[in-house]
Amino acid sequence: KQEVTQIPAALSVPEGENLVLNCSFTDSAIYNLQWFRQDPGKGLTSLLLIQSSQREQTSGRLNASLDKSSGRSTLYIAASQPGDSATYLCAVSTSGTYKYIFGTGTRLKVLA
Amino acid sequence: SAVISQKPSRDICQRGTSLTIQCQVDSQVTMMFWYRQQPGQSLTLIATANQGSEATYESGFVIDKFPISRPNLTFSTLTVSNMSPEDSSIYLCSVEEGVNTEAFFGQGTRLTVV
Repeated sequence: KQEVTQIPAALSVPEGENLVLNCSFTDSAIYNLQWFRQDPGKGLTSLLLIQSSQREQTSGRLNASLDKSSGRSTLYIAASQPGDSATYLCAVSTSGTYKYIFGTGTRLKVLA
Repeated sequence: SAVISQKPSRDICQRGTSLTIQCQVDSQVTMMFWYRQQPGQSLTLIATANQGSEATYESGFVIDKFPISRPNLTFSTLTVSNMSPEDSSIYLCSVEEGVNTEAFFGQGTRLTVV
């Protein structure tokens, strides 16, 4: 059974810092890995999608990497801003089912 | 990317009653899903809403408690039946689009049962 874990559970950094959020999964037979952002009480916003054949994806200040063999993904946020404060979730879909299993989330606070 | 509208955005309901949540997508999609997010928790998949057939439920979720309709490729409803305070959660509709099956979410329905 696929399990997804995110470390750290919470993170507080000063504005301008570069930071890394971690996601690990137990079953390497994934189809996709997707990173989301969730603001308090809101829905999810898709940030980056990495297909199983890819190693990384970039969008603006965000870079996500995937190492399937070790069951890990990282989300790198460059030059963090207070507007980046949110909960970040990673999710993996398993080959053949297309259902996403979500991680526990990292609650990020960027201090001005 | 698909634009997903959920109604209502929030509601406060009495225990023992039922609430139906609507999910409308601006394009035809094959895959629609319903998730639950309990307070302080991550998302858990309730079921896959299948067009023209019964929904496929995940372990721990049953049709009598969470009946789902999917009358066409742009619309689905989730009903939370005979509610108790433990049903207080955010309920989210999701679709997957494109050959990469990227997931997109509605803004969620925040349900409080008193």
